[in-house]
Amino acid sequence: KNEVEQSPQNLTAQEGEFITINCSYSVGISALHWLQQHPGGGIVSLFMLSSGKKKHGRLIATINIQEKHSSLHITASHPRDSAVYICAASLHSKETSGSRLTFGEGTQLTVNP
Amino acid sequence: GAGVSQSPSNKVTEKGKDVELRCDPISGHTALYWYRQSLGQGLEFLIYFQGNSAPDKSGLPSDRFSAERTGGSVSTLTIQRTQQEDSAVYLCASSLVWSTEAFFGQGTRLTVV
Repeated sequence: KNEVEQSPQNLTAQEGEFITINCSYSVGISALHWLQQHPGGGIVSLFMLSSGKKKHGRLIATINIQEKHSSLHITASHPRDSAVYICAASLHSKETSGSRLTFGEGTQLTVNP
Repeated sequence: GAGVSQSPSNKVTEKGKDVELRCDPISGHTALYWYRQSLGQGLEFLIYFQGNSAPDKSGLPSDRFSAERTGGSVSTLTIQRTQQEDSAVYLCASSLVWSTEAFFGQGTRLTVV
């Protein structure tokens, strides 16, 4: 079982639809990241959160620490939102005084016009 | 530059040759990470550097892989005696400190033929 699991793996939506991508993790984390990867491979950090909710434009990320669960929502989806969305858990290491990311498998989102 | 810079962007090498991949992090960022994404696979942690602490090398897949970070800035990932299974996109990321948002480079696409 992966430490970070996402669902769904693939998601197809019509333009304008409200989209939710879910992420569950099984380890204690210092933060949860949502990343976006477009064709061509470039990765952009969307959110980093350790509690509550963050909003940026049409994107909203929430996290429930007790339930070890996070969601990424996209309101009024648009074809340009088509990308792979990746959830990643930041695990702090006391030994090295740092952290690394453990990634989910990603969700391929396709928004059709 | 304003972002994380990686070079080369593409590298084709013959099986058995050594390769060096370079990462220039954002100036002032103390944490630097190397990740790998094989074709059709998720992102995989390789190594990270945090300031002057010993690097976390726990993700390196074999002793053919090594990395160094000189002067707390530029990092080089070296793969010796490359194998075809080393073909992947190698991504570098940096963050101000371990607990802050990570910024990714565009990656180096390595193809071993």
